[in-house]
Amino acid sequence: EVQLVESGGGLVQPGGSLRLSCAASGFSFSSYDMHWVRQATGKGLEWVSGIGTAGDTYYADSVKGRFTISRENAKNSLYLLMNSLRAEDTAVYYCTRARVYMDVWGKGTTVTVSS
Amino acid sequence: DIVMTQSPDSLAVSLGERATINCKSSQSVLYSSNNKNYLGWYQQKPGQPPKLLIYWASARESGVPDRFSGSGSGTDFTLTISSLQAEDVALYYCQQYYTTPLTFGQGTKVEIK
Repeated sequence: EVQLVESGGGLVQPGGSLRLSCAASGFSFSSYDMHWVRQATGKGLEWVSGIGTAGDTYYADSVKGRFTISRENAKNSLYLLMNSLRAEDTAVYYCTRARVYMDVWGKGTTVTVSS
Repeated sequence: DIVMTQSPDSLAVSLGERATINCKSSQSVLYSSNNKNYLGWYQQKPGQPPKLLIYWASARESGVPDRFSGSGSGTDFTLTISSLQAEDVALYYCQQYYTTPLTFGQGTKVEIK
């Protein structure tokens, strides 16, 4: 079964850091682009960052310079290192698989930035 | 950035009736080299992640009921639910994957009248 499972969310103070992980299974992880998409409570979907099969990375302007996406194909894992967190980064963060379009989504992990 | 604008923001449709959601992109998402529209539609139910319904603007994802269909090209797209069922109550989002930043519409809430 194709599956994505996020972890690493939690409560962090403004200015703090957090590292999200996404464990992939049931497919050839290294063959797919991967993305992080977030959703604040009651709000719409916002693309955060993506990484290609060759390791090329892409970021939304709102997180550029603060967040770093990476992947470890040997461990079938995707990561998002989030630094200098702000209240507006509070959201559910979804890991998604993409063969151009995003066809598989994890259940998400919740990040809350608050003092 | 490509701005995706959906209309309406919400709609209420009787069971068995047609529901139509529109999505307009601020620039074309049609890639001329392969004649594909880089446009997808997602369904999201409360407490669940989004689910892919339609890709390439009109291709139905495996397992998606055939009452869901997508159409359009260039900058104007439509998601149609031909006969609304109770389980179709959800938020629906369009998304362009033509270029980064990838962008979503604001969402359309579909309810039963």
